[in-house]
Amino acid sequence: DTAVSQTPKYLVTQMGNDKSIKCEQNLGHDTMYWYKQDSKKFLKIMFSYNNKELIINETVPNRFSPKSPDKAHLNLHINSLELGDSAVYFCASSQEGTTYEQYFGPGTRLTVT
Amino acid sequence: QKEVEQDPGPLSVPEGAIVSLNCTYSNSAFQYFMWYRQYSRKGPELLMYTYSSGNKEDGRFTAQVDKSSKYISLFIRDSQPSDSATYLCAMSENTGKLIFGQGTTLQVKP
Repeated sequence: DTAVSQTPKYLVTQMGNDKSIKCEQNLGHDTMYWYKQDSKKFLKIMFSYNNKELIINETVPNRFSPKSPDKAHLNLHINSLELGDSAVYFCASSQEGTTYEQYFGPGTRLTVT
Repeated sequence: QKEVEQDPGPLSVPEGAIVSLNCTYSNSAFQYFMWYRQYSRKGPELLMYTYSSGNKEDGRFTAQVDKSSKYISLFIRDSQPSDSATYLCAMSENTGKLIFGQGTTLQVKP
């Protein structure tokens, strides 16, 4: 009965590789987000989708490409991974009208070596 | 200058103490003010939110917003070891885009 789930939980990979992180929510929410949390715990929004439409696209390298096949799923694909991409990536979701109340997944800890 | 400033701590208090956590911000367009709690190796969870200025109380937790000073606070009364976590303030113009502070790590010692 997990509300927001992410896979994988841990990802260790080498520089230059391409990887994907998947997110699913079973809350019936309309909006989903990707956040990046750095080693100092600073949490910053990357993207937001509402009903499969991209609505927030922060200043993120175009090596990062989100995809939303339906409103319950939001995936993040990262090309040509760099050392600086090492972080914890969180998926979140919210209901339209209460976007201040976001439900976060458990995070994917990405380590690029 | 960051839009939201929060002292990262760490903050260590004895059990039963009153804890005060604070954030300042620069964007006067923020309307929603949130406090999220994040336990180690977990995702953040919403603790409280306040719309515009004012106070809000929920059990041992009280959130205060002073828009004139661009300052928000979270007070925890009778702190418990289970309150040990990182507390993140967050703010929004109600666009879905949350701007987070850096988070304050709190440890409550038994």
